[in-house]
Amino acid sequence: DAKTTQPPSMDCAEGRAANLPCNHSTISGNEYVYWYRQIHSQGPQYIIHGLKNNETNEMASLIITEDRKSSTLILPHATLRDTAVYYCIVQSGGSNYKLTFGKGTLLTVNP
Amino acid sequence: GAVVSQHPSWVICKSGTSVKIECRSLDFQATTMFWYRQFPKQSLMLMATSNEGSKATYEQGVEKDKFLINHASLTLSTLTVTSAHPEDSSFYICSAPPTGPNTEAFFGQGTRLTVV
Repeated sequence: DAKTTQPPSMDCAEGRAANLPCNHSTISGNEYVYWYRQIHSQGPQYIIHGLKNNETNEMASLIITEDRKSSTLILPHATLRDTAVYYCIVQSGGSNYKLTFGKGTLLTVNP
Repeated sequence: GAVVSQHPSWVICKSGTSVKIECRSLDFQATTMFWYRQFPKQSLMLMATSNEGSKATYEQGVEKDKFLINHASLTLSTLTVTSAHPEDSSFYICSAPPTGPNTEAFFGQGTRLTVV
C-alpha cells in the first residue's frame, strides 16, 4: 500500500472548518483513500473514503486532487468532540486488506 | 455499520498472570480479525491476524507463545497475554478488516492493559 504523509498536528477554532491534508504521491490506480479518526483511549472510527471523486457524508467531505496524489478531509463545522488523531490510509486489495497506520494528525479544536 | 465489541475496556493485572481480551462481531460474521497494539502517543501496530478455523498469523517480532490468539467462532476472537510483564502494558485493539477495497474496517473500543 502507498505511504501517506500528514502534518503531526493542527489547531482549529470551534465552529470553523477543519481542513486536514494528506499526501499520497505513490498511490496506485486501484487504491482508495480512507480516513479514520481516533479519539483518546478509543478504537479508530471510520469517517469517509474515496477513489477519484470528491465524497461527502454526514461527518465530513473528502476532496481528492485530480492526479490523486493528495487529499483533504474537511470537517465543515468542527466541535470540541472532533478533537482526535486523524489517520489517512491508502487501501488496496493486497495483504488481506491490512491497514498500515501512520502517525496521523492530532487535531485540536479550541473553544 | 457493523459493530465490533471488545471486552474488557480496561484491566489491571499482576506481573506473571495471564489476561484474556475478547472481541466479538455483534451483527456480522468475521472469518478474520486483526489485533493491534498501541503504546502511548504512538500509532497502531498490527500484531497478528486471527483466522477462524486455523492458526493465527503473527507479524514479525511478535511472540506467538506470549500473545495467544484464538478464533473460536465466526463471531469471537480472543487475545491472551500470557505471563504478563509491565512492558506489555498497552492499548490493545481488535478490528474486523475490510471485505473489499471499497469497504471500511470496523474497530473494537480497545482494551487498556496495565501490568503492575
